[in-house]
Amino acid sequence: DAKTTQPNSMESNEEEPVHLPCNHSTISGTDYIHWYRQLPSQGPEYVIHGLTSNVNNRMASLAIAEDRKSSTLILHRATLRDAAVYYCILVQAPAGGTSYGKLTFGQGTILTVHP
Amino acid sequence: EAQVTQNPRYLITVTGKKLTVTCSQNMNHEYMSWYRQDPGLGLRQIYYSMNVEVTDKGDVPEGYKVSRKEKRNFPLILESPSPNQTSLYFCASSLVPRTGRRYEQYFGPGTRLTVT
Repeated sequence: DAKTTQPNSMESNEEEPVHLPCNHSTISGTDYIHWYRQLPSQGPEYVIHGLTSNVNNRMASLAIAEDRKSSTLILHRATLRDAAVYYCILVQAPAGGTSYGKLTFGQGTILTVHP
Repeated sequence: EAQVTQNPRYLITVTGKKLTVTCSQNMNHEYMSWYRQDPGLGLRQIYYSMNVEVTDKGDVPEGYKVSRKEKRNFPLILESPSPNQTSLYFCASSLVPRTGRRYEQYFGPGTRLTVT
């Protein structure tokens, strides 16, 4: 399975942008890049995903390198509620059904937001 | 409200005493999965299910069983729990994509299990 590499931790100040990097040099052509985050004492929650093009939603933006070997999750204005562990994971597109379900979470990046 | 529920939320048990952690979702999702989370190891997938009566092993299936007799329920069974199964467990569900796009997973609130 393709793996991702993220910094262990990052810090930001409130209301400043945050760029969370993820390296996935062994990504395959059909892997989607998903980001989840886990707030303290909660289950992970979906943030955003993409394949090749940059993506925006109400929570964040995802910038994907042209060679797809890295991506960056962008929080445009960090708030204290954004303090969480952020996971970048590669998700295989269905291939005969059996490979679909297996997800591999890495260690994630602990984001600390200072008031 | 769309949600994934788990019961119990907290459980302390003894080695060898069979237990079941229930998971239920109300979103008509085909796909369901169990993870365990341990300090320093992150989230690891135990088992997953693509649909009713279809299950498969994740990364750490040893010591666990699952069943998927109904679409909404996906219980995790520990036939003979051991202390190394002390962990935080999460259930998740999602749709299975029809066109190759992967749908996001919805996670339950977690079950903290302690085996003494």
